[in-house]
Amino acid sequence: GDSVTQMEGPVTLSEEAFLTINCTYTATGYPSLFWYVQYPGEGLQLLLKATKADDKGSNKGFEATYRKETTSFHLEKGSVQVSDSAVYFCALRNSGNTPLVFGKGTRLSVIA
Amino acid sequence: EPEVTQTPSHQVTQMGQEVILRCVPISNHLYFYWYRQILGQKVEFLVSFYNNEISEKSEIFDDQFSVERPDGSNFTLKIRSTKLEDSAMYFCASSVSGLYNEQFFGPGTRLTVL
Repeated sequence: GDSVTQMEGPVTLSEEAFLTINCTYTATGYPSLFWYVQYPGEGLQLLLKATKADDKGSNKGFEATYRKETTSFHLEKGSVQVSDSAVYFCALRNSGNTPLVFGKGTRLSVIA
Repeated sequence: EPEVTQTPSHQVTQMGQEVILRCVPISNHLYFYWYRQILGQKVEFLVSFYNNEISEKSEIFDDQFSVERPDGSNFTLKIRSTKLEDSAMYFCASSVSGLYNEQFFGPGTRLTVL
């Protein structure tokens, strides 16, 4: 079945450091890919998405590019802030009306 | 901004007891979902609900589980006889429609079964 694998956390970075959180997927067909973020005490929020190969999703300085050839959707940010500390989930959805398939989540801590 | 709410934030129960987890989806949303995350594992889909009936469920969602929309605002997940392995974070989500629409998630209920 479909699955998502993302790098284990926790990841601890200093403010203004470059962030990469790796995500790879296994799916039949052509899934849509997502990154969700969960800030402390809050629900999962959609951070960005990409619906087809070579699409780049971006939001709040975060970016991820849908790479079909490597089945990857790595999350990047050029300069992280303390406020980016959260848990990040990579997910896929294989067609419009199917459930989301999530990775385990990666906890990011940014220190000043 | 409208949001999905869940109560309680933390529920502790004894094995074999029934629990009801409550969710209030966003008011104009028509599709509702439950997911769970066992500590250290992936967020897993449990069930989706539309038009007062289950539209899809995973193999996790066995006869111990049920969902209900008892009134116009609440969406509940009931576990009839809890087991230790039901301990997890349970997330409710809702979307305007099922097709390609973003799912909005609540903050989760942490269920601890002793």
